[in-house]
Amino acid sequence: QKEVEQNSGPLSVPEGAIASLNCTYSDRVSQSFFWYRQYSGKSPELIMSIYSNGDKEDGRFTAQLNKASQYVSLLIRDSQPSDSATYLCAVNIGGGTASKLTFGTGTRLQVTL
Amino acid sequence: NAGVTQTPKFQVLKTGQSMTLQCAQDMNHNSMYWYRQDPGMGLRLIYYSASEGTTDKGEVPNGYNVSRLNKREFSLRLESAAPSQTSVYFCASSRIGTGRYNEKLFFGSGTQLSVL
Repeated sequence: QKEVEQNSGPLSVPEGAIASLNCTYSDRVSQSFFWYRQYSGKSPELIMSIYSNGDKEDGRFTAQLNKASQYVSLLIRDSQPSDSATYLCAVNIGGGTASKLTFGTGTRLQVTL
Repeated sequence: NAGVTQTPKFQVLKTGQSMTLQCAQDMNHNSMYWYRQDPGMGLRLIYYSASEGTTDKGEVPNGYNVSRLNKREFSLRLESAAPSQTSVYFCASSRIGTGRYNEKLFFGSGTQLSVL
């Protein structure tokens, strides 16, 4: 079992719809969870981080964390064509002073006109 | 403000050749990392340096060596390149942090390496 799992997609949603991206992780002691966005041919960039159970909202993005179910999700409201990218879920496994993030393989999102 | 700078952006090697990928950050970060990204495999950690003077293996260290030259620079060396090392390599940095804090990774623009 991979430590961080995501559906590779592609996930296709129409413009203006809500996109829901999901991620599960295997390490019960993980404390930090991140969503990175990566456009084709570019480097990943952080869009959301979450540390506590529940929801965290930032503009059109909402991250949801359920530690009991070892599940983290990202909702994108009012999806735009510019949101078309690969979304990487990352989890800090093992703690420590360095950010040893373990990444999922990513979900490719396509927002259609 | 340059952030994290990687060189070169593209490289083609023949099997058995050696090369060094260079990385420098100007954000006064303590921790630096090398990842590789392959289709269907996601980003995998090769080596990291929690602070100047320390380096540790990540998930896929075989065939690589690293040097934390100073606080700013962290290089990745392939001593004898193999086709399995064809990949996109990303350098990243972060401020030192424990647990939940200060863990944002800043990535360089990547190096596309092909080993023939």
